[in-house]
Amino acid sequence: DGGITQSPKYLFRKEGQNVTLSCEQNLNHDAMYWYRQDPGQGLRLIYYSQIVNDFQKGDIAEGYSVSREKKESFPLTVTSAQKNPTAFYLCASSRSYMNTEAFFGQGTRLTVV
Amino acid sequence: GQQLNQSPQSMFIQEGEDVSMNCTSSSIFNTWLWYKQDPGEGPVLLIALYKAGELTSNGRLTAQFGITRKDSFLNISASIPSDVGIYFCAGPLPYGGSQGNLIFGKGTKLSVKP
Repeated sequence: DGGITQSPKYLFRKEGQNVTLSCEQNLNHDAMYWYRQDPGQGLRLIYYSQIVNDFQKGDIAEGYSVSREKKESFPLTVTSAQKNPTAFYLCASSRSYMNTEAFFGQGTRLTVV
Repeated sequence: GQQLNQSPQSMFIQEGEDVSMNCTSSSIFNTWLWYKQDPGEGPVLLIALYKAGELTSNGRLTAQFGITRKDSFLNISASIPSDVGIYFCAGPLPYGGSQGNLIFGKGTKLSVKP
């Protein structure tokens, strides 16, 4: 089955620690995205990658980092510099950067304890 | 920054009722997308609209791309319990970057009437 897989589903982090969220897709999509969702809010773009080895900051990139070394993988690191990291994180992909139809993974809920 | 305003914020449905919701923007959009999100899950794409005035159906769902290109509407006919969830409208940022860089409304939450 083709799709986007995010892991883990739930993640707990101590303050001051970095943590990496995994996102893998087997849809052969060029473009991948990370969004953050807070309760009662829409999704906000953190980082995006139009093609392998390239990525760009979105609206709320501060305190986050990404890499895109393989087409199918786009991990997100939440660093200790992110002031309010507790949120629901969603990874998405689209066929190309010109294609608007983004398909989402099931999300990772990160909680800072 | 760009904003998409969804209305209503929440609504209660009784099985069998028709449901309407809308999304408006101060900017023109070339594409409108409607997603549904179940609790604790990622959004699922329901309908994509690409042309002003376009009316597209997906089963009991019908969405329209407003003539002004600044709004879109989603209707659900004969609602059933599994329709509950949060419905988001989304559209690509109208400037630069990737067409897949979407901005989202805050959602319309559908719940079942007690």
